[in-house]
Amino acid sequence: QKEVEQNSGPLSVPEGAIASLNCTYSDRGSQSFFWYRQYSGKSPELIMFIYSNGDKEDGRFTAQLNKASQYVSLLIRDSQPSDSATYLCAALLYNQGGKLIFGQGTELSVKP
Amino acid sequence: KAGVTQTPRYLIKTRGQQVTLSCSPISGHRSVSWYQQTPGQGLQFLFEYFSETQRNKGNFPGRFSGRQFSNSRSEMNVSTLELGDSALYLCASSVDRVNTEAFFGQGTRLTVV
Repeated sequence: QKEVEQNSGPLSVPEGAIASLNCTYSDRGSQSFFWYRQYSGKSPELIMFIYSNGDKEDGRFTAQLNKASQYVSLLIRDSQPSDSATYLCAALLYNQGGKLIFGQGTELSVKP
Repeated sequence: KAGVTQTPRYLIKTRGQQVTLSCSPISGHRSVSWYQQTPGQGLQFLFEYFSETQRNKGNFPGRFSGRQFSNSRSEMNVSTLELGDSALYLCASSVDRVNTEAFFGQGTRLTVV
C-alpha cells in the first residue's frame, strides 16, 4: 500500500463547477498535509496546508482533513481553465523522521 | 525574497558519467529535500538535509548521495549514471521539518544518453 494515494484522473469538470480532489494516507502518524499544483513542465507550487481536522478555506480553495478516515481533500470552487494542472497531495510523516511524501497526483482539466 | 534556486536547469550526460546538482534554499530555510520526478513514478523522495546532517533517506541506491553546507546550500550527486536516471530533479526548502511549508525550485532536467 502506498503511503499517499490519489486517483490519477484525469478529472474533467466544466468551467464554474466545483472540482473535488481526494487523497488517502496510510501512516496514522502523519500530522500535516499539503496540496501542491503543478503545471506541465513546471515545478510544484504550494496551494495550502492543513493539520487540524475539519475545513480550511483560502479563496476558492478549501482543504478538508478527516484523520479518523485518513482522508484529505481539496475543493476548488468556481473552477477556471487556468486551474487545469496536476494536483499533488503530500503528507509529512512524523513517524519517519519528517519525510514529506507525495501521492501520484490527480490531473484536473477544466473545460470552458 | 529570492526563491529556491537550482542549477543547472538542464543537463545531458552519458551513461557511466557522474553529475552534481546544486540547490540554494530560501534565505533562512535550513531544511533541503531532494526529489526525483518521472512520468511513471511521480515525485519520489531522495533525501533530506537539515543543518548539514542527512536526516532522512528514500529508497534509492547508494549511487545517489548528497550533502549540505553551512550556508544551507545543498548538492546532490549521482554516480555511474544509468538511462533510468533521466528525470526532473527537484529540491524543496523549508524553515524546518515540522509543520512548515516546503517550496520547490524550478528543477534540473537530467537526460542520460
